Amino acid sequence: NAGVTQTPKFRVLKTGQSMTLLCAQDMNHEYMYWYRQDPGMGLRLIHYSVGEGTTAKGEVPDGYNVSRLKKQNFLLGLESAAPSQTSVYFCASSYGGPTQQYFGPGTRLTVT
Amino acid sequence: AQRVTQPEKLLSVFKGAPVELKCNYSYSGSPELFWYVQYSRQRLQLLLRHISRESIKGFTADLNKGETSFHLKKPFAQEEDSAMYYCALHPGAGGTSYGKLTFGQGTILTVHP
Repeated sequence: NAGVTQTPKFRVLKTGQSMTLLCAQDMNHEYMYWYRQDPGMGLRLIHYSVGEGTTAKGEVPDGYNVSRLKKQNFLLGLESAAPSQTSVYFCASSYGGPTQQYFGPGTRLTVT
Repeated sequence: AQRVTQPEKLLSVFKGAPVELKCNYSYSGSPELFWYVQYSRQRLQLLLRHISRESIKGFTADLNKGETSFHLKKPFAQEEDSAMYYCALHPGAGGTSYGKLTFGQGTILTVHP
């Protein structure tokens, strides 16, 4: 099993450009999450999904959109990138409830 | 709303010394606490959770509800313990938390030879 995979691993964008980050999991998990990791801030939840076709806002959703058209995939979109969105983005999945979350390897995004 | 605080951004110890990474939380209910670890160039992974009361890689953590703490301890640190450590809180079973975790700011542990 590959677990949780993320595409791409690195990306550099210019302000105003758009992009989509792809997260895929092969563990048949219902729940999926997108976090951003910033120095001194820990991991902060951007959006999450409790099942195919559902999405919800997390702690820091502004500037991001998500979609969960298939159970195994969770997409994170930036419509108009800003330098404040420079970060490392992690996707995770779980069975839900107070259970272990499984993380992807991360995507390092730089917005200039 | 819940909050997790890891007061130390950086922690340095020598190999063989005891290590304690602090984690304090604020939550009015009965939370479940986790420690996640991120080794260099690896993904974040679960180290341990309080409900299982396990010792993983020599680490232990006890949930102290009176002090609202979940400190991570190891009696003899090893160089391979060098990593970023995150404490995380889940509000507990039931409700509508949807498995969401609240993470602390993280502590970078460096174990010197």
